[in-house]
Amino acid sequence: KQEVTQIPAALSVPEGENLVLNCSFTDSAIYNLQWFRQDPGKGLTSLLLIQSSQREQTSGRLNASLDKSSGRSTLYIAASQPGDSATYLCAVNGNDMRFGAGTRLTVKP
Amino acid sequence: DVKVTQSSRYLVKRTGEKVFLECVQDMDHENMFWYRQDPGLGLRLIYFSYDVKMKEKGDIPEGYSVSREKKERFSLILESASTNQTSMYLCASSSHELSSGNTIYFGEGSWLTVV
Repeated sequence: KQEVTQIPAALSVPEGENLVLNCSFTDSAIYNLQWFRQDPGKGLTSLLLIQSSQREQTSGRLNASLDKSSGRSTLYIAASQPGDSATYLCAVNGNDMRFGAGTRLTVKP
Repeated sequence: DVKVTQSSRYLVKRTGEKVFLECVQDMDHENMFWYRQDPGLGLRLIYFSYDVKMKEKGDIPEGYSVSREKKERFSLILESASTNQTSMYLCASSSHELSSGNTIYFGEGSWLTVV
């Protein structure tokens, strides 16, 4: 059974800092991996989707990488802003879709 | 703009009550899902449906049932609510080919408190 782990569980950084969120998974037989953002009390919004054949995807200040062989993905956020404060979840799509527990990010002004 | 609508955002129910959580999507998606989200546990799949009148158990189906009579609507039913079902419930939908990279869309969530 696929297990998805996100470290750290929480992260607090000053505004303007570049940061990396980590996601690891145990079964490399996946179709794709997605990163989501969740604001408090809200649903999930898709940020980036990386197919298993891809190494990375970029959207604005966000860059997600995928190393399927080692079972790792990172979400890089450049020049963080207070509006980036949210919980970030990764989801691995294989036989079914498995979510990590998320990293709660706080960007302080 | 894609839309997954969960009609009830906040509910408080008593132990033993029958609870209905409704979800509607306007994207003509084949797949619909119900998850619950608890602190430190992430999202756990309760039930999903690949088509009208079809349903499959997820990881934690005990104490829940579902109904999909129409393609756009997927209902989660708690037959007899218990306090350990207090949680945030998330509905989601996607087109058939999730493996091809079609994304999954989530509703805003329903906060259920069972007292």
